[in-house]
Amino acid sequence: GAGVSQSPSNKVTEKGKDVELRCDPISGHTALYWYRQSLGQGLEFLIYFQGNSAPDKSGLPSDRFSAERTGGSVSTLTIQRTQQEDSAVYLCASSLWTGEQPQHFGDGTRLSIL
Amino acid sequence: DQQVKQNSPSLSVQEGRISILNCDYTNSMFDYFLWYKKYPAEGPTFLISISSIKDKNEDGRFTVFLNKSAKHLSLHIVPSQPGDSAVYFCAASAGDTASKLTFGTGTRLQVTL
Repeated sequence: GAGVSQSPSNKVTEKGKDVELRCDPISGHTALYWYRQSLGQGLEFLIYFQGNSAPDKSGLPSDRFSAERTGGSVSTLTIQRTQQEDSAVYLCASSLWTGEQPQHFGDGTRLSIL
Repeated sequence: DQQVKQNSPSLSVQEGRISILNCDYTNSMFDYFLWYKKYPAEGPTFLISISSIKDKNEDGRFTVFLNKSAKHLSLHIVPSQPGDSAVYFCAASAGDTASKLTFGTGTRLQVTL
């Protein structure tokens, strides 16, 4: 597709389980961003990638969160030992380069921790 | 600490009239400001931006105004159309790069017939 694709669109899991969220950026975009939106809040920056490297991981809430990007394309956000406060919509976006604002975000993964 | 604030959670405007969405920020290091539009169940889409070296940027029906001394920006939509009904997020970044954006909590705009 032409846009940013995220999967799954919805994920319900039990507290304590690990989850993996996937993001397929727009082809050719070197920069990739992860944000999350908790209920009633704005988007919260998590991490961004320039190619396969992550210059800024300052937004990751805890060491239970990690992300990787391979081949300059697909990215995976992993949350280990999920907690109820991890429940949010996780959004991914991409841009040609990090100096350019993300044009379009994916539709997100709605994560619910029971 | 909410560095970008959108104090109006919702706004209702009649079709054809002007919509004014407001945003305040506290971090004086912010020098690049953006507006995103979000429809339900979709991700946000970039709408318009402004650098701190300007006080106005216009794109069709959309104009963003920046008042640096007041740390305030606003988005004007003229004329408003029903398709403009969405949630609008204000965002800001420092260092003239959009790699790390700080977002407000959004304003839901309803354009009525």
